[in-house]
Amino acid sequence: GESVGLHLPTLSVQEGDNSIINCAYSNSASDYFIWYKQESGKGPQFIIDIRSNMDKRQGQRVTVLLNKTVKHLSLQIAATQPGDSAVYFCAELKGQGGKLIFGQGTELSVKP
Amino acid sequence: NAGVTQTPKFQVLKTGQSMTLQCAQDMNHNSMYWYRQDPGMGLRLIYYSASEGTTDKGEVPNGYNVSRLNKREFSLRLESAAPSQTSVYFCASSPQGPGAYGYTFGSGTRLTVV
Repeated sequence: GESVGLHLPTLSVQEGDNSIINCAYSNSASDYFIWYKQESGKGPQFIIDIRSNMDKRQGQRVTVLLNKTVKHLSLQIAATQPGDSAVYFCAELKGQGGKLIFGQGTELSVKP
Repeated sequence: NAGVTQTPKFQVLKTGQSMTLQCAQDMNHNSMYWYRQDPGMGLRLIYYSASEGTTDKGEVPNGYNVSRLNKREFSLRLESAAPSQTSVYFCASSPQGPGAYGYTFGSGTRLTVV
């Protein structure tokens, strides 16, 4: 079956360092892959998405890389700040108005 | 604009009781979704409504029913609550276009079944 999963459940980094959060997917014909940030007591917040025909997409301080050969997705956060502390989920989206399928999540902790 | 509003924010039920979780969005989105999130896990889709008048099962529909009351509102009903339904429930909506930029989540309903 299909699955979207994360390699590491927790990640701790120093403020100012770069963070890399990884995600694996399998057997998917999804159109988009998305990264969400979820702070305690809140719903997921969209960070960035990438189409299946792209390898890289950049946003403000964030970059998503997609490696279709090994079915791997990563989120890079530059100059990580305490406000970046949260749980990060990858998800896949199938088609227009399609359903989001979420991975397990990685908890990012930023030490001052 | 409020985005996606869920009520209640917290609820405690006894096993066998019923209740309805309410969700409303003010973004004129076509599609709406109900997810549950258990500790240490990602969100799992319970039911969704691609457009007004339609509903479909997601990954974990057993024990739940939904109603797409109108374009704005999508409710989730537990007819006979069980401890396994203790979870945080999130409603979401999307404009049914390409990409996930417009996918918006509510702040969640924390449900405990004792």
